[in-house]
Amino acid sequence: QKEVEQNSGPLSVPEGAIASLNCTYSDRVSQSFFWYRQYSGKSPELIMSIYSNGDKEDGRFTAQLNKASQYVSLLIRDSQPSDSATYLCAVILNQFYFGTGTSLTVIP
Amino acid sequence: DAGVIQSPRHEVTEMGQEVTLRCKPISGHNSLFWYRQTMMRGLELLIYFNNNVPIDDSGMPEDRFSAKMPNASFSTLKIQPSEPRDSAVYFCASSLAVSRVGIQYFGAGTRLSVL
Repeated sequence: QKEVEQNSGPLSVPEGAIASLNCTYSDRVSQSFFWYRQYSGKSPELIMSIYSNGDKEDGRFTAQLNKASQYVSLLIRDSQPSDSATYLCAVILNQFYFGTGTSLTVIP
Repeated sequence: DAGVIQSPRHEVTEMGQEVTLRCKPISGHNSLFWYRQTMMRGLELLIYFNNNVPIDDSGMPEDRFSAKMPNASFSTLKIQPSEPRDSAVYFCASSLAVSRVGIQYFGAGTRLSVL
């Protein structure tokens, strides 16, 4: 099993819908989790971090962490075409690991 | 602040040539990372420096790759000799401290093509 796994997609949602992105990780000891967004041809940028079980909300974005099940998810409410990008999950294990990313397309 | 600065933005070279990629981290950041991104393998951590000292180079693919950080404001990633399979986008990123390693700021990347 890879350290961090994501469904590569592509995931397509209509404008205004909720986009749900999921990530699983291999080590129960992990304490810190991050979501990065990468537009096509650009570099990754941090959009959310989460350290505790439960939900963390920031505007239209909600990160959800379930350590017992070893998954972290990102919900994007009221999806906009400008949210179309690849979303990378990242986890601190013995080092810092990125997942391979999920490509999201929001259809106007 | 100008952010993380990488140069060159694009590099085209022939197999067997030496390639040097450069990075200037954000001023005051103590940790610096080099990544390689390809469609097949995603974003891979190559090496990680803290306070100019290499901490983890387990991701460096082979001896053809080397990285240095002679001071807090400059790092290089060198490939010698280069091979076509080294073609990728190479990113440099920096973070404020080891305790903030998950919060990284990326440069614009260097797109390397080895013919």
